Amino acid sequence: GAGVSQSPSNKVTEKGKDVELRCDPISGHTALYWYRQSLGQGLEFLIYFQGNSAPDKSGLPSDRFSAERTGGSVSTLTIQRTQQEDSAVYLCASSSTDYGYTFGSGTRLTVV
Amino acid sequence: GEDVEQSLFLSVREGDSSVINCTYTDSSSTYLYWYKQEPGAGLQLLTYIFSNMDMKQDQRLTVLLNKKDKHLSLRIADTQTGDSAIYFCAERIGSSASKIIFGSGTRLSIRP
Repeated sequence: GAGVSQSPSNKVTEKGKDVELRCDPISGHTALYWYRQSLGQGLEFLIYFQGNSAPDKSGLPSDRFSAERTGGSVSTLTIQRTQQEDSAVYLCASSSTDYGYTFGSGTRLTVV
Repeated sequence: GEDVEQSLFLSVREGDSSVINCTYTDSSSTYLYWYKQEPGAGLQLLTYIFSNMDMKQDQRLTVLLNKKDKHLSLRIADTQTGDSAIYFCAERIGSSASKIIFGSGTRLSIRP
């Protein structure tokens, strides 16, 4: 597609439920990244995928968080047993060059 | 360690120049970036500079890099109300498609 697409754009979930956030990167981009932006905060790196290499999961805050990327394209970020502190905007980005990422519009997750 | 620091707020008068400063810690940075985030929107890549450059100019934007002091700045000439946004400094560590570390962002507000 023309840009990075994320869905849903907004998600409200009850504490303790699992959620899945989806990212469709730009076609042909080999690198895909997930970041989290809490209210009034900067961007917190979560995970990145590069081609067929093992993902860099060093930013995942707990074992409740996981992500996969199928067929080198679409990625899903899963948060199990959501907590209120998980409320944030989850941003996905993709890249094919050194010249920076292209970000999606994000998924705003609210845990109530 | 990897750390990018910025001041949180900057207020300038319309028509004046804005200078947003950033310091980073990792001397192996290859690219440095400035991203802009308008209210309710995703992150937009404004400009980038390769680490062997010391200046880059793009219309109203001037990026200065002092690699010795690990200091990056973004100057916006003739600041307009449409420049109101949060500006994120970011550095890429290491080789192509490595993760990018973001600062906390500087909120630029324009006063008449």
